[in-house]
Amino acid sequence: ETGVTQTPRHLVMGMTNKKSLKCEQHLGHNAMYWYKQSAKKPLELMFVYNFKEQTENNSVPSRFSPECPNSSHLFLHLHTLQPEDSALYLCASSQDLGTSGETQYFGPGTRLLVL
Amino acid sequence: AQSVTQLDSQVPVFEEAPVELRCNYSSSVSVYLFWYVQYPNQGLQLLLKYLSGSTLVKGINGFEAEFNKSQTSFHLRKPSVHISDTAEYFCVLHVSGGYNKLIFGAGTRLAVHP
Repeated sequence: ETGVTQTPRHLVMGMTNKKSLKCEQHLGHNAMYWYKQSAKKPLELMFVYNFKEQTENNSVPSRFSPECPNSSHLFLHLHTLQPEDSALYLCASSQDLGTSGETQYFGPGTRLLVL
Repeated sequence: AQSVTQLDSQVPVFEEAPVELRCNYSSSVSVYLFWYVQYPNQGLQLLLKYLSGSTLVKGINGFEAEFNKSQTSFHLRKPSVHISDTAEYFCVLHVSGGYNKLIFGAGTRLAVHP
């Protein structure tokens, strides 16, 4: 248990559906991240938030829309996804940005399948 | 540009045997290095990290890694593995001075057999 929870753990959706992934951290951290983990590929950073403000959007398609209402919660809103978006989506948090060598704490991930 | 290369995509090993998972990195600036482990159906968990100081770093579950600047390597070792060590292992680089952006290797799947 890392202090980062994600719901749902599994999600199957059609290409016309709209769904949301939720991440919550109980560590008092200020920075939160979304990563995509696809088979046979390194983890890809998608979005970074620091004190609720987005600091990085790593060229992610607009069908992925993040939301960070406070430092403890992070959402990823999904709409009109493609089958190639099927992957494990991981949320992580860290105390701050810019502190070199800081550990990121990961949630268990949401396994997404787009049909 | 910075990069991380994990030289083996899969490493099969028998229980109680030693294991080494290899990692090389490329960077023109100082780096911090991490090893994360991902057990089946779980997120990533930090095993150990090198920030500065002693080049031999000890982590959880009996793992250790050695930072070798001249060879730009950060290999992970364990003298005797258990079935429970079966997992995916990621070597990760963080460029010092930058914000907390991690560069992940492709991962090495360690399969421990009885």
